[in-house]
Amino acid sequence: QTVVTQEPSFSVSPGGTVTLTCGLSSGSVSTSYYPSWYQQSPGQAPRTLIYSTNTRSAGVPDRFSGSILGNKAALTITGAQADDESDYYCVLYLRSGIWMFGGGTKLTVL
Amino acid sequence: EVQLLESGGELVQPGGSLRLSCAASGFTFSSYAMSWVRQAPGKGLEWVSGTSGRGGSTYYADSVKGRFTISRDNSNNTLYLQMNSLRAEDTAVYYCAKKTSASGDTAPFDYWGQGTLVTVSS
Repeated sequence: QTVVTQEPSFSVSPGGTVTLTCGLSSGSVSTSYYPSWYQQSPGQAPRTLIYSTNTRSAGVPDRFSGSILGNKAALTITGAQADDESDYYCVLYLRSGIWMFGGGTKLTVL
Repeated sequence: EVQLLESGGELVQPGGSLRLSCAASGFTFSSYAMSWVRQAPGKGLEWVSGTSGRGGSTYYADSVKGRFTISRDNSNNTLYLQMNSLRAEDTAVYYCAKKTSASGDTAPFDYWGQGTLVTVSS
């Protein structure tokens, strides 16, 4: 049973840099998994930040970036702001049209 | 401007059926694959189902396979999710999501609707 892993929580200081990761319970994440990242604030719909590893969605500031770091996909936020405090989800393409989300990371900016 | 408006969510008894709709505007609907993603109360996102731009290819999560059916009406720019044999664990906000191309499998999601709440309870 494949599981997509994310840190449950993370904190960053205002103006700081944070890297969230997205891994697989077995195996390494590569660009072939088309990793994507979403931001969700309480009571709101998800907002697409990054797709296909490192393509920024329309209107997303360039302080959000995606990459592969080691055997995981990564979302890096530079110059963190108070309104970056949200839940962040990654999703991976597994096979045959099937996608799987990670459990999400709750990011605190303090 | 891309807009996705879900509807059809309501309270339904276990074992019952429901059909969700997602009305799309602001883009050429038939040129893009679409998906449904749900979120149980207080939980994370779960991919449910997807379909290619023309509807010829459909995909389902194991948790809903055999019970849910995704379809689309490209003449009316509407995506559907027919949900049968509903269970308490299907209780969630259901979002429709546009994909970045007509390809139903590897195309990622870019735009999301605001969601519709389905509650399965007696």
